[in-house]
Amino acid sequence: DARVTQTPRHKVTEMGQEVTMRCQPILGHNTVFWYRQTMMQGLELLAYFRNRAPLDDSGMPKDRFSAEMPDATLATLKIQPSEPRDSAVYFCASGPGSSYEQYFGPGTRLTVT
Amino acid sequence: TQLLEQSPQFLSIQEGENLTVYCNSSSVFSSLQWYRQEPGEGPVLLVTVVTGGEVKKLKRLTFQFGDARKDSSLHITAAQPGDTGLYLCAGPTGAGSYQLTFGKGTKLSVIP
Repeated sequence: DARVTQTPRHKVTEMGQEVTMRCQPILGHNTVFWYRQTMMQGLELLAYFRNRAPLDDSGMPKDRFSAEMPDATLATLKIQPSEPRDSAVYFCASGPGSSYEQYFGPGTRLTVT
Repeated sequence: TQLLEQSPQFLSIQEGENLTVYCNSSSVFSSLQWYRQEPGEGPVLLVTVVTGGEVKKLKRLTFQFGDARKDSSLHITAAQPGDTGLYLCAGPTGAGSYQLTFGKGTKLSVIP
């Protein structure tokens, strides 16, 4: 049963600290998406990769957020420095790259105090 | 930016009742997807509708794509507590990209 995995599931940190979230996409999927979900804004797209290349990160605050895919089995989202307004659930999703189907991981719930 | 408006925002019903939730836009979409998200989990794809007027059924769930491909509805017959969750609709953001734009969802609670 192929699934997207994300670590950690929960993270509590203090303002100013670096946060790194990791995602393992489904094997064979060549598109990877990072989303942020809040009650107010819903699901917002932060970054989009195709074949490990970043194609769109216009939804991401550039001064503090960065997203990378070091290899096909790992995508990372970093926040440095973190701020209380970054508190949200962050989801990674992967897709086959031949359709709009996206498969989501369980998310990382981030709390910045 | 193509926006998807979902209504109602919240819905609480008794087990056994029927319900319909809506996803509307002023833009035409080539397809629309419906996802269900349970508490503490990521969204799970339920269905993709592609053709205007298309109706798809998934057990007690009936999905319809509007004739003009600007709206969609999800009808649940005889709701069960297991149907509780956040129902999200999503559509492509533009040609040549596999990015989706999501509505804010309808939060459904089915009370036993």
